[in-house]
Parts: sequence; C-alpha cells; structure tokens
Amino acid sequence: GAGVSQSPSNKVTEKGKDVELRCDPISGHTALYWYRQSLGQGLEFLIYFQGNSAPDKSGLPSDRFSAERTGGSVSTLTIQRTQQEDSAVYLCASTLAGGRNEQFFGPGTRLTVL
Amino acid sequence: GESVGLHLPTLSVQEGDNSIINCAYSNSASDYFIWYKQESGKGPQFIIDIRSNMDKRQGQRVTVLLNKTVKHLSLQIAATQPGDSAVYFCAENISGNQFYFGTGTSLTVIP
Repeated sequence: GAGVSQSPSNKVTEKGKDVELRCDPISGHTALYWYRQSLGQGLEFLIYFQGNSAPDKSGLPSDRFSAERTGGSVSTLTIQRTQQEDSAVYLCASTLAGGRNEQFFGPGTRLTVL
Repeated sequence: GESVGLHLPTLSVQEGDNSIINCAYSNSASDYFIWYKQESGKGPQFIIDIRSNMDKRQGQRVTVLLNKTVKHLSLQIAATQPGDSAVYFCAENISGNQFYFGTGTSLTVIP
C-alpha cells in the first residue's frame, strides 16, 4: 500500500510569510508525528497526534508553529511569519497506535526561508 | 532535551566488511531504542529496535548491542553493501511518545 506522503517536497518562501506543510499518513494509522531536521542534525520532535486525544505540542519551538489533524487522517503543519532559522526538512511519520510502534516516515518537505 | 550522541560522524568501510556504528545516550531511564537508516532525500527508515531488558537483538544482517552500564548502543552491519550507504540514527525513548534522536553517522561503503 501507499506510504506516508508529504507535500510540497520543496518550499521556498520569503521571511515573514506563512507556510503550510501537508502530511498524508498511512491509512489506518492512528498516530502521527511531526519532526524537524536541520542540516546535519538529528530529528527534533515537534508534535504528536493520537486518535482523538489532545495532541502533544511540547516540541513546538514557538507560537508561530501550529498543527492540526482533520478527521484523524491528514495533518497540516503551519508556520507563521517564517524566519530564516525555520529552514529545515520537516518530516512526518505515522504509526499504527503511537508509542513504541514502528514509525513510518514520509520523504519530508524541505523548507527554505530566504 | 535528552542528549543522544554518536562517537563518529562519518564512517567509511570496504564493501563486504562489517560496519559498527556507535551511539551514546545520557538518560539511564531510557528503556527503548531504535536504529534508523536515512538515505539521501528520503525519510528515516526503521532498521531494528531493542528494549532495555535485552543486551542484543539480531535482524537480517544487522545486530544491535545495548550496554546499559555505560549507556552505549551499537549497530553492527554484516557484509556491508553499497546500498547500506546512508546516515544512521539512533533514537531513545523513556516513556510516552517522545523519541530523542542523535545527530547521525554517515556511512560510506567503498566498492
């Protein structure tokens, strides 16, 4: 079946603009993660969704970052008033039920803020 | 956040040799660990995991060793192939949903 997909694959924006990044998880996966990967760095946890539970937003770096997951499926990560330090690859992963289940990652969205 | 580090940022091995990638973790309460492989332009891919009640776990051509005494994790790849060239990350989990990732080791397999 299809894996996790993300769009766009690349996004170039100007400082101060808002961007929306989309993640389509694997069908039937109830848990969804967003991570940020800066150049040459490991993955930084941003936010976690599990079913209808309140999301774990503890990794969001500032109030300019927000995410939602509609209908328990597609998720959108929004960055408002982008800054140059937001430039990174944003990765989405989904799992069957969260926790210690294998996370299946999408290919990521490479965001460049000029 | 937690510190998950790697001893070597880059590693080059001859095709056919065995590779060993190391990872140090700082939180002794971490009790679940995962190794991921990330090829250029792709998202990380699960390789193998291990829980803290184990010292060793084997998969296909890969073995993970866990030394809780010194908080060290290693990934061994047998008979390394060109397709193994990638960045390898270890990740640790204490509880719940948050995983802490290391910065990665870049493995290059020399034909």
